[in-house]
Amino acid sequence: KNQVEQSPQSLIILEGKNCTLQCNYTVSPFSNLRWYKQDTGRGPVSLTIMTFSENTKSNGRYTATLDADTKQSSLHITASQLSDSASYICVVPRGNTDKLIFGTGTRLQVFP
Amino acid sequence: DAGVIQSPRHEVTEMGQEVTLRCKPISGHDYLFWYRQTMMRGLELLIYFNNNVPIDDSGMPEDRFSAKMPNASFSTLKIQPSEPRDSAVYFCASSLARAGGPYEQYFGPGTRLTVT
Repeated sequence: KNQVEQSPQSLIILEGKNCTLQCNYTVSPFSNLRWYKQDTGRGPVSLTIMTFSENTKSNGRYTATLDADTKQSSLHITASQLSDSASYICVVPRGNTDKLIFGTGTRLQVFP
Repeated sequence: DAGVIQSPRHEVTEMGQEVTLRCKPISGHDYLFWYRQTMMRGLELLIYFNNNVPIDDSGMPEDRFSAKMPNASFSTLKIQPSEPRDSAVYFCASSLARAGGPYEQYFGPGTRLTVT
């Protein structure tokens, strides 16, 4: 069954600290993996898109890693800011289609 | 560009009423997607269009749901009759296909639907 699972479900950290979010997927065949950030009351916004040949990709303080062999990805946030408080969603398209399968997300809260 | 535009932003209606959600994709984009987000099920694809033609509507939950895209700049998602379990946030997203790689989907702000 094509699934995307994320952990932890929620996370609380202090401003300035680093954190890592995890994503495991069973989608096959695999073409790419995406991380989205969703602020409360807003639509998701793409952070990174990684193909199977990419191991690491950065977008500012966000760094995503991908291990296509173990079917795992992580999103590392460096020097967190209050504005990083949001849900982070891991997304994998079903095969070579445009149908995205969404993880349930990690709810991150950054406190001062 | 203004991004994907959705209206209304909030809709409260009574069970049994017809609800119409509207979406204007980013100009020039050739794909349009409708999603539903709930606490229990997260984000789910309902239907998507390519060049105004429905490609896959397997995510549409029931015959009560229908979607149209009469032209490249406008799409509607209609629920008739609405039920309380339809309460959710409905997102529209658009993208532009390009050769050689995956393409991003840009989401609108969503319509929060409450059916009482």
